[in-house]
Order: sequence, then C-alpha cells, then structure tokens
Amino acid sequence: AQSVSQHNHHVILSEAASLELGCNYSYGGTVNLFWYVQYPGQHLQLLLKYFSGDPLVKGIKGFEAEFIKSKFSFNLRKPSVQWSDTAEYFCAVNAQGSARQLTFGSGTQLTVLP
Amino acid sequence: DTGVSQDPRHKITKRGQNVTFRCDPISEHNRLYWYRQTLGQGPEFLTYFQNEAQLEKSRLLSDRFSAERPKGSFSTLEIQRTEQGDSAMYLCASSLANGGADEKLFFGSGTQLSVL
Repeated sequence: AQSVSQHNHHVILSEAASLELGCNYSYGGTVNLFWYVQYPGQHLQLLLKYFSGDPLVKGIKGFEAEFIKSKFSFNLRKPSVQWSDTAEYFCAVNAQGSARQLTFGSGTQLTVLP
Repeated sequence: DTGVSQDPRHKITKRGQNVTFRCDPISEHNRLYWYRQTLGQGPEFLTYFQNEAQLEKSRLLSDRFSAERPKGSFSTLEIQRTEQGDSAMYLCASSLANGGADEKLFFGSGTQLSVL
C-alpha cells in the first residue's frame, strides 16, 4: 500500500515570499501524483498532476511541482505567494494501472500574511 | 451550480442512531467516490462506484457502513448505529473515466457528521 508524508503542517509566509511544500511518498511501483488545494470554506480542487513525461509540471495560479523519482518526492513550489494563496494543500498519490483510490497526505496549512 | 453536491452539509446525531448522506455527482460522470476526512488529516478513501457497480471498498468501511448508487447517478452512504469515532467530514467526488490514466476528480463540499 502507498503512503504520503507532508512534513510541514503549518507554513506562514509574507506576500512575495517563495514557497516550497514538501511531499514524499512510499510505493514500490509506478504512481500518479497530485496536489490538491482547499481554500477556506471551499471544496478540494486539483492544483496540478503528474502522470508521465516531463517531471516538472505546471498547474493553475503559478504553481509548479517537480517529481524526483530517486527521492520519491513531489514538492510544490511557487516563486511569489499572494494573500489569496492562503489555503490547505494536500499531496496525493495513486498507483498506475491498479486501484483508483487516492492516498492523501495529512495536508499543509499555508497562511500568507499581507 | 453544476458541480458535485452533497446533502446535508451538517448532521448532528446521537450515538446509536442511523444516518444517511446523499451525493449528486456531475451528471455525465461515471465514477463516484466516497472519502472521509478527520481533523488534521487528509481524506481517506472509503469506496467507489463505476456506474452502479461498487468496485472497491476500503478496510475502513466497517459492516455498519453501506453505500449504494442504484441507477448510476446519485449515491447514498448510510452509517448504522453511529459511534463517536464516526464523527468526520464525508466527502464525495466524481470523475469521467475513459480508460486513460488522466482521471480528474471533482469533490463536493462534504457532509460534516457530529456524533454526540
């Protein structure tokens, strides 16, 4: 079974600061990787995803993530955060070609100070 | 609103009572998922349907839990004899699966269950 670790539970940044949220997964096979975001009072939304190909994937709102297979990592980055990026961010993984279920990390709460 | 809708938004019940939640997916979506999320944790997979067939169930889904999707459209999740440990946000998601790897889940806002 796969598992996902997000080591930062709460990150506080000032506007214009750069962001990097860590995500590590554990699984022996080929995986699909996702970042979801949940803005205050809203439902979970897909930010970006990786299935294959270029390990650097770009998502909505200027976010990007890099898949490093040797490190089992899929860290989320943004060069300059805005107050509107305040939200909870979840990393998720599922195994390619088998179970459809997503395994989520425990989430990182990002607070951006104006 | 053409997204995934869940009803009710909040449910408060006493221990031992039965509760039922409803999920209406995006109309053309053939897959429907149920997840559970507790405070400080990410969503945990419970079960999913492809059309009306329930194809996978998590070990988290005890015998007190049952889910249905009778006509391949809306789904219900019933919890019998609720326990305080059932208190959580129950999330529904749907997707249009076409056999490829590129499946995108759309989540509803969830039903918050509190068992007293």
